[in-house]
Amino acid sequence: QVQLQESGPGLVKPSGTLSLTCDVSGGSISSGNWWSWVRQPPGKGLEWIGEIYPSGTTNYNPSLKSRLTISLDKSKDQFSLKMTSVTAADTAVYHCARGGAAGGHFDYWGQGTLVTVSS
Amino acid sequence: EIVMTQSPVTLSVSPGERATLSCRASQSVSSNLAWYQRKPGQAPRLLIYGASTRATGIPPRFSGSGSGTEFTLTISSLQSEDFAVYYCQQFNNWPRMYTFGQGTKLEIK
Repeated sequence: QVQLQESGPGLVKPSGTLSLTCDVSGGSISSGNWWSWVRQPPGKGLEWIGEIYPSGTTNYNPSLKSRLTISLDKSKDQFSLKMTSVTAADTAVYHCARGGAAGGHFDYWGQGTLVTVSS
Repeated sequence: EIVMTQSPVTLSVSPGERATLSCRASQSVSSNLAWYQRKPGQAPRLLIYGASTRATGIPPRFSGSGSGTEFTLTISSLQSEDFAVYYCQQFNNWPRMYTFGQGTKLEIK
């Protein structure tokens, strides 16, 4: 059973950098799956942030692209998210998720971690 | 960007009855449509992908249909554990992009 667990600071200052890591267990990050970040601001819907493939290829939500970096560490079965120049609008529960083998959906999700942007 | 619109926003149904949730795409997404169930404090749970394929372990009372721009999630006989928020999600292969609907809250009548 694949499990994903997010970790990182729960509080980030405005204009700072949000950094999160997702630990993958019960499977390998080197498998033929895409690995994504998805967020949900309080009281709002789900928003896809971006994804990475084991080759290192990335795709980002165009609305966030200029502020994002997603990377992976195969030796640790981890992938990470960095988002720069954060504002209060980036306050959300951040999930990591695995893309399904058939493509186009997410079959395993982390529980999510709340990141608050505030001074 | 493809916009996904779910209706209704809230659906009140009695246990044992059928629930029908709708999702409309602003342009065709073929069959690249998934449905998720979300309960408070839990991660989203994949129910349906490819518009109509049940994910592993999902009971047969959940079914998905549709293609192009109109999609439906049907829960044939509601159980107490089915009351939750449901999201549809589309996938566009080029450029790769995923967008979600705003959700339908399924509540006990």
